[in-house]
Amino acid sequence: DIVLTQSPDSLAVSLGERATINCKSSQSVLYGPNNKNYLAWYQQKPGQPPKLLLYWSSTRESGVPDRFSGSGSGADFTLTISSLQAEDVAVYYCHQNYATPYSFGQGTKLEI
Amino acid sequence: EVQLVESGGGLVQPGGSLRLSCAASGFIFSNYAMSWVRQAPGKGLEWVSGISGSGGSTHYADVVKGRFTISRDNSKNTVNLQMNSLGGEDTAKYFCVKEEDILLPAAVPFHHWGQGTLITVSS
Repeated sequence: DIVLTQSPDSLAVSLGERATINCKSSQSVLYGPNNKNYLAWYQQKPGQPPKLLLYWSSTRESGVPDRFSGSGSGADFTLTISSLQAEDVAVYYCHQNYATPYSFGQGTKLEI
Repeated sequence: EVQLVESGGGLVQPGGSLRLSCAASGFIFSNYAMSWVRQAPGKGLEWVSGISGSGGSTHYADVVKGRFTISRDNSKNTVNLQMNSLGGEDTAKYFCVKEEDILLPAAVPFHHWGQGTLITVSS
């Protein structure tokens, strides 16, 4: 089974500053036939279901602000918020859809 | 518009059973696999089970294998999760999620989630 480990567990960033969250996979999630990394990022606010931000490591979901970006390949990935806004306070999860059982990182709580 | 509405949650005693349902609308149900993801209070996300569009292929997390059974009724646009031998570790909000392909694993992750239904296992 694929284990995803996020770092840090929590993060405090000032408004307008950059936030960086890392996700390390226990094995590569790069799908050879299409050269895509099956690694996604979700944002979850209290009382709400998770919201998809990015998939294939760096493809932004429709409607997601461009201050959110993703990078990485193979087994190491990063979510970057370039200029933190107040509405970005949430818990962020990485997720692999490369193989079942699907898995999620443990979450990173982002605060101001 | 895709809509996923879960039902069937509630309080159940340890060792008991419960059946969750998810009513789907806004898309051709039989063309898409479906999954259940849960979240214990104050904890992270955990994928539980998934089923292909036809219902012919099912997948389970190891922690629920042999206790939970996923099924679907494509004539009623519903996916179900039968949960047996429940324990405190199963206490969680259970989300119904739409896969983006007819089979699991899908190339694209979950875009659409229900609001969830809460299961509490306690005596």
